[in-house]
Amino acid sequence: DAGVTQSPTHLIKTRGQHVTLRCSPISGHKSVSWYQQVLGQGPQFIFQYYEKEERGRGNFPDRFSARQFPNYSSELNVNALLLGDSALYLCASSPAVGTAYEQYFGPGTRLTVT
Amino acid sequence: TQLLEQSPQFLSIQEGENLTVYCNSSSVFSSLQWYRQEPGEGPVLLVTVVTGGEVKKLKRLTFQFGDARKDSSLHITAAQPGDTGLYLCADNAGNMLTFGGGTRLMVKP
Repeated sequence: DAGVTQSPTHLIKTRGQHVTLRCSPISGHKSVSWYQQVLGQGPQFIFQYYEKEERGRGNFPDRFSARQFPNYSSELNVNALLLGDSALYLCASSPAVGTAYEQYFGPGTRLTVT
Repeated sequence: TQLLEQSPQFLSIQEGENLTVYCNSSSVFSSLQWYRQEPGEGPVLLVTVVTGGEVKKLKRLTFQFGDARKDSSLHITAAQPGDTGLYLCADNAGNMLTFGGGTRLMVKP
């Protein structure tokens, strides 16, 4: 079975531009979460979606938004890119929400903002 | 806001040596998890511990959870080059993970 897939693998954008990152969860998983990992740091929670509804949001500005589609795939959108948005963006899926469910991470999208 | 501190930040050792890395939280863990992340990949779950004082073993890896559920250690016996990676502790609260900064381990052959 395929794991969590993310696209694109790498992306270079200019300050002020907009970016869309995509994530396909493991088949049967209904929850998707997004994390930002700046170089040299641990991942930081951005969003959690379950059954197309936002279930949690981390401490990120409104420039960050996301949505989940009926097939449970998800998009993360970032507007007005800043240099500080350069990071590895990780998507994780799980069967449902709750501490009992393991999260499975994708390989990430490496975003560079110049 | 919960803060997780991991130490050391970097560790470089020879194959066959033993090592211990630490994770301390500013508040009680809901559910402590340890992950390993290799270059170009996402974190992979190693273990989940929930009970204070709990010790779990995974082959050469031993995970210990403090009695007060605010600290944890990961001990690796006879490290191998395949153990190289970033070791992350995290608190799993309702499926939303709060991560520490990680310990980057390099095991040289």
